[in-house]
Amino acid sequence: DAGVIQSPRHEVTEMGQEVTLRCKPISGHNSLFWYRQTMMRGLELLIYFNNNVPIDDSGMPEDRFSAKMPNASFSTLKIQPSEPRDSAVYFCASRRVGGQAFYGYTFGSGTRLTVV
Amino acid sequence: RKEVEQDPGPFNVPEGATVAFNCTYSNSASQSFFWYRQDCRKEPKLLMSVYSSGNEDGRFTAQLNRASQYISLLIRDSKLSDSATYLCVVNHGGSQGNLIFGKGTKLSVKP
Repeated sequence: DAGVIQSPRHEVTEMGQEVTLRCKPISGHNSLFWYRQTMMRGLELLIYFNNNVPIDDSGMPEDRFSAKMPNASFSTLKIQPSEPRDSAVYFCASRRVGGQAFYGYTFGSGTRLTVV
Repeated sequence: RKEVEQDPGPFNVPEGATVAFNCTYSNSASQSFFWYRQDCRKEPKLLMSVYSSGNEDGRFTAQLNRASQYISLLIRDSKLSDSATYLCVVNHGGSQGNLIFGKGTKLSVKP
């Protein structure tokens, strides 16, 4: 099991540039989550998908952020234009959804984004 | 009131000590509870689920008090390798929903 795979691991970009973060969930997991972590705010849910359908995007900060999941094995989080306050670690996580049980997440290694 | 609240610490303890972390949650409809562990500059990893009857995994014991909306984690005979941040986690939205994370409690175990 390769786990949840995120790329890139590190990204340094200039303010105003477009940033695209990528995630490949674990095969067979049908729910995918994007989180952002900062010292001040901890882990914040940005958006999540069940069966490739966005369920809750209320955590997306503003229109500069967008996320897609075109198929069960790939998702992107895009920031355009990026700002210094977007600097954070962005985690993708996936889990299996089914029945009444709630299964815990598996996280990717994260993308450390720095906007200068 | 924040959805999941934890004492941020840090807790600095000697090896072999017993340490307890507490957490409160605001949504009485929450049904699933977890403790995650996060090492510095790493991703969070599931430590253990928390069941209503309480559960134990080696040196780790988790307790849930639904009436008080309170969760605890006890670590006995702490090791240097237990040094990490411990995140209290609560589900939101039932089996199809998502997880809400506390900001974590930092533990540092010293020789």
